[in-house]
Amino acid sequence: QQQVKQSPQSLIVQKGGIPIINCAYENTAFDYFPWYQQFPGKGPALLIAIRPDVSEKKEGRFTISFNKSAKQFSLHIMDSQPGDSATYFCAASTGRSGYSTLTFGKGTMLLVSP
Amino acid sequence: GAGVSQSPRYKVAKRGQDVALRCDPISGHVSLFWYQQALGQGPEFLTYFQNEAQLDKSGLPSDRFFAERPEGSVSTLKIQRTQQEDSAVYLCASSPRGAGQHTGELFFGEGSRLTVL
Repeated sequence: QQQVKQSPQSLIVQKGGIPIINCAYENTAFDYFPWYQQFPGKGPALLIAIRPDVSEKKEGRFTISFNKSAKQFSLHIMDSQPGDSATYFCAASTGRSGYSTLTFGKGTMLLVSP
Repeated sequence: GAGVSQSPRYKVAKRGQDVALRCDPISGHVSLFWYQQALGQGPEFLTYFQNEAQLDKSGLPSDRFFAERPEGSVSTLKIQRTQQEDSAVYLCASSPRGAGQHTGELFFGEGSRLTVL
């Protein structure tokens, strides 16, 4: 059972566009929702994260929107740049076990054309 | 560098060989995770250490996989009698927080890419 479903699988936008990546989760015990960015040959790096007590979080050009009732969250990248071309993973975890094992989505490969 | 270091970066093994993958976490980080990332997929959890204690190994796919962190710093993931389905990138991640605290941000290494022929 895939606990975090991510879409689309790939996305192409022009420079300046606003790509949107969506994720849906099943486990209502999840209480931490990060987005990781991964460049080819590199490990994932934390981009931005949100907890379910807020509906939106902005950090620079990156915004997470969170809908607790729908069990969905999304990443928006404002004024996208070619340097944003990477694979983006949503993830979720619960702190109930005392540590957070991240469950990742399958990833979205984003290409921002010049 | 102060990041998570993994070695080797690339490993080619013949089916049936044993391999060992090393992870040097960020100094002082209490938590250490191993993840497996198949081509075109998201990372999947394998195992978790708090210091030298392996608190969770529920993600290890078979008893051919073994991980250790004997002194609470460097960790080794060992795969015995490798199979073609073991081909993947193995990612190590660390965090300064331990069990009892929400782990928060994980700092990933660049991974070890294993190819089993």
